[in-house]
Amino acid sequence: NAGVTQTPKFRVLKTGQSMTLLCAQDMNHEYMYWYRQDPGMGLRLIHYSVGEGTTAKGEVPDGYNVSRLKKQNFLLGLESAAPSQTSVYFCASSLPPRIGETQYFGPGTRLLVL
Amino acid sequence: KQEVTQIPAALSVPEGENLVLNCSFTDSAIYNLQWFRQDPGKGLTSLLLIQSSQREQTSGRLNASLDKSSGRSTLYIAASQPGDSATYLCAVEWDGNKLVFGAGTILRVKS
Repeated sequence: NAGVTQTPKFRVLKTGQSMTLLCAQDMNHEYMYWYRQDPGMGLRLIHYSVGEGTTAKGEVPDGYNVSRLKKQNFLLGLESAAPSQTSVYFCASSLPPRIGETQYFGPGTRLLVL
Repeated sequence: KQEVTQIPAALSVPEGENLVLNCSFTDSAIYNLQWFRQDPGKGLTSLLLIQSSQREQTSGRLNASLDKSSGRSTLYIAASQPGDSATYLCAVEWDGNKLVFGAGTILRVKS
């Protein structure tokens, strides 16, 4: 099993450009999450999904959109990139949350917006 | 607001030392508390997960404790090794599907 994979690993964008980050998981997990990690800060939840066709906002959703058309994929879109979106983006997946259940993380995507 | 704080922000110790990383959190009504390890340029690896009804968990040289009443958790690493050098993140789950992370402790173990 590959677990959670993310594409691309690294990307440089100019302000105003758009892009989509892809997350894929092969563990048949219902729940998927997108986080961002900035220097000196912990991971912050951007959006999450509790199942195919559903999405919900997390702590820092502004400037991002997501889609979950297939159970195994969760896409994060930036319609008009801004320098403030320079960050490392992590995707995670899990079974339906219950006490004792953990999330599994991908390796991250480094995004630089100039 | 539900928040997680980790102290210290960075720690440098000689090989072989026992060490303690601290995590504090607001609101004692937690589901789980987890400790993750993050290596440079890599994703997160779950080290230990403590359920709300548990007081501690152990894995090899790692021991994590949980005191909900005081809003604290500690990660104890015994006989530290250079391979333990990494960032350690504490994360608390209050809501059934969201993790709130601390900023992490950067650990360097010198050989």
